[in-house]
Amino acid sequence: TQLLEQSPQFLSIQEGENLTVYCNSSSVFSSLQWYRQEPGEGPVLLVTVVTGGEVKKLKRLTFQFGDARKDSSLHITAAQPGDTGLYLCAGERSEKLVFGKGTKLTVNP
Amino acid sequence: DAGITQSPRHKVTETGTPVTLRCHQTENHRYMYWYRQDPGHGLRLIHYSYGVKDTDKGEVSDGYSVSRSKTEDFLLTLESATSSQTSVYFCAVNRGPNTEAFFGQGTRLTVV
Repeated sequence: TQLLEQSPQFLSIQEGENLTVYCNSSSVFSSLQWYRQEPGEGPVLLVTVVTGGEVKKLKRLTFQFGDARKDSSLHITAAQPGDTGLYLCAGERSEKLVFGKGTKLTVNP
Repeated sequence: DAGITQSPRHKVTETGTPVTLRCHQTENHRYMYWYRQDPGHGLRLIHYSYGVKDTDKGEVSDGYSVSRSKTEDFLLTLESATSSQTSVYFCAVNRGPNTEAFFGQGTRLTVV
């Protein structure tokens, strides 16, 4: 059983479109993190959300932490080809940093 | 940059042989992790360490062992490699729960 469920698993869109990626769990997390991974590289942290209901913005990326701290979403506005990559959510569980399976995003020019 | 170096970066080995992967860090992070990444499975935790000589199992630890004799080094050993252990292995470090994790560049291991 996956502790963190991400959806969709794959997403292919055209440049300029908006999209939302979801990260859901039945467990409460003290925080959730979002990472982005490019081919041949390790994941790199985008943001950490800590407070239930928190919204953080990083340029065209908006991250939200659910009120119950069990889920999070990543919204990208006006996607660009440079946004292409694997987006991973992660949470701490008993000192273990666990990840969702990721959403592979392709933004076509 | 957390100064993480994984070695080797690529390795091809035969079934049944022992293999050791090394993760070296220069920033004195307390926690170190080994993950494997496979298509359709994302990043799965193999083992992690919360201090020198303090290690614990992750979700896919069977067939793997680890050691951490120094803060800066975390070794992952496949005692007898199998084809199912063909994967990309990532080392990660952080300072503690809910802090940013920094990843190495990965080791691509092929077991033939």
